[in-house]
Amino acid sequence: EPEVTQTPSHQVTQMGQEVILRCVPISNHLYFYWYRQILGQKVEFLVSFYNNEISEKSEIFDDQFSVERPDGSNFTLKIRSTKLEDSAMYFCASSYYDSPNYGYTFGSGTRLTVV
Amino acid sequence: RKEVEQDPGPFNVPEGATVAFNCTYSNSASQSFFWYRQDCRKEPKLLMSVYSSGNEDGRFTAQLNRASQYISLLIRDSKLSDSATYLCAVNLYSGGGADGLTFGKGTHLIIQP
Repeated sequence: EPEVTQTPSHQVTQMGQEVILRCVPISNHLYFYWYRQILGQKVEFLVSFYNNEISEKSEIFDDQFSVERPDGSNFTLKIRSTKLEDSAMYFCASSYYDSPNYGYTFGSGTRLTVV
Repeated sequence: RKEVEQDPGPFNVPEGATVAFNCTYSNSASQSFFWYRQDCRKEPKLLMSVYSSGNEDGRFTAQLNRASQYISLLIRDSKLSDSATYLCAVNLYSGGGADGLTFGKGTHLIIQP
């Protein structure tokens, strides 16, 4: 079964540092997403991406965040200056269709710890 | 972005029993609905989409009640492997692009031998 692959699985960074979380979506998928889940909290939408541009973003996705699809396979989330409260599990997801009646496939996540 | 509410549980249920839980959503414009399953410290995995007429997939049955703005999940003949957190997810689908899902906090289910 096709998978969404995320690297690294765990990243520890110092407050104020930049991090880049990487994702390889399923190859024929067209829509890409980032979600985060703070420990013990709900899964929260960050941003969706289609046709090489941001389609929708939440209020969490402020100026410190950016996304990029630098080539035909990778999809990255950059956090420019990490804060302690950015510590969370970050999930990438992809889908072939936009969302009505179709769920996504999530990657296994990157656990980001900001110290 | 409106809220999605779930009873966090835990629901402790003996193996073989039937269990049901609901999820309420506050935005009447919501268009699509899903149940996901999440195991501890793992990614959400799609269990089933929820259609207006209700739908069944093996031991799992999902229902949508638009008038009362809730969806439900029924699990029959529960197995030990059903122990997980069940997440309700709702999508507005404005039609303008790839809208994100709004998740509930999840209902924790423990199946006991």
